[in-house]
Amino acid sequence: QQPVQSPQAVILREGEDAVINCSSSKALYSVHWYRQKHGEAPVFLMILLKGGEQKGHEKISASFNEKKQQSSLYLTASQLSYSGTYFCGTEIGDYKLSFGAGTTVTVRA
Amino acid sequence: DTGVSQNPRHKITKRGQNVTFRCDPISEHNRLYWYRQTLGQGPEFLTYFQNEAQLEKSRLLSDRFSAERPKGSFSTLEIQRTEQGDSAMYLCASSLGGPPGGPYNEQFFGPGTRLTVL
Repeated sequence: QQPVQSPQAVILREGEDAVINCSSSKALYSVHWYRQKHGEAPVFLMILLKGGEQKGHEKISASFNEKKQQSSLYLTASQLSYSGTYFCGTEIGDYKLSFGAGTTVTVRA
Repeated sequence: DTGVSQNPRHKITKRGQNVTFRCDPISEHNRLYWYRQTLGQGPEFLTYFQNEAQLEKSRLLSDRFSAERPKGSFSTLEIQRTEQGDSAMYLCASSLGGPPGGPYNEQFFGPGTRLTVL
């Protein structure tokens, strides 16, 4: 079962903030966030684990509500480089990821 | 750490031909995954390996698709008798391993192989 992402698209000016949401109907073991630019592979941003542990590789924050099976990605003080399509991938204990349809973020100068 | 590599990057073939893609994971990673992505959609799971063992294969994967990971290193994905509906980006990812939901299950993707079936 694919997770549901919202919004589908968001347009920002540099310096503005945005929140991307990801929800699942299944109990989650972890949530993985990726950013993909046109024609390129998804780039790992961060993983959120049950129990609250987070591991990230960029200055982007996220939260994971285990009770609601929801995760949110926070883009703060957005930069032009933040443009792309953001995907959440959810893991239900079987190692493979199920991906949402993505949220397209456009940051304008 | 040179990252996940995939070859070829692009493949154009005629309907009915067989194609084979290769993936080289990050060297110390035990798990290797294949996903397929079509335009405007997120990646869709196809299959994954723990070392050389293929542990799961998507029910959506027809018998025309086969994957191997001999010796637990690189992997190949073969599509026989290609159809136009097979046109997509084929992505390979690898992860270090560990229990489900653990901190070593981050999956890192390769650049993908874009398949076009004419």
